[in-house]
Amino acid sequence: GQQLNQSPQSMFIQEGEDVSMNCTSSSIFNTWLWYKQEPGEGPVLLIALYKAGELTSNGRLTAQFGITRKDSFLNISASIPSDVGIYFCAGTRGGGGSNYKLTFGKGTLLTVNP
Amino acid sequence: DTGVSQNPRHKITKRGQNVTFRCDPISEHNRLYWYRQTLGQGPEFLTYFQNEAQLEKSRLLSDRFSAERPKGSFSTLEIQRTEQGDSAMYLCAIDGGSGANVLTFGAGSRLTVL
Repeated sequence: GQQLNQSPQSMFIQEGEDVSMNCTSSSIFNTWLWYKQEPGEGPVLLIALYKAGELTSNGRLTAQFGITRKDSFLNISASIPSDVGIYFCAGTRGGGGSNYKLTFGKGTLLTVNP
Repeated sequence: DTGVSQNPRHKITKRGQNVTFRCDPISEHNRLYWYRQTLGQGPEFLTYFQNEAQLEKSRLLSDRFSAERPKGSFSTLEIQRTEQGDSAMYLCAIDGGSGANVLTFGAGSRLTVL
């Protein structure tokens, strides 16, 4: 099935460093979402973006909805060990019913070295 | 607590056996989704219910798969004659909870087919 292009695939950083990851699509989306998944658990929503150009923060996390509606990025500032996990972008065309269906990227595996 | 309970959390079975997974949303939700996640990939859409009606099925859902939502509350996903390629995490999701166009996922049911 279709998946978004997410990069990088993995990152290994030192505690305190900033992190940036992005996601691109050949299709336009009306909503971009960023999820985090820890081992053995389901994805948990971090940030939701609804308007092109929108910049939204959630604590140390900041995400932007690209102007073209075909991309989004997520930044994590001052990383800490509990940031470890897999970060997924997801897009949807929105609306009701099956338009809630999400298309996911392959994920970015983040490892933080204390 | 994500608002979606999935059971069993882990299932190991031999090839050819049938397995059934159950999803229980804690509160009433019109729409319920099943996704499949294989190792190193993002979740992929399988099927979606609006109340009791199964409105959309992915091409990933072969005829060995059947999903039901008999009373519009809990849902089951059955896989008949399992194959090793069915090994994956099966995620259930409901719409809403944290904003529009957002899916809230359960912790998933991990299937290993030997």
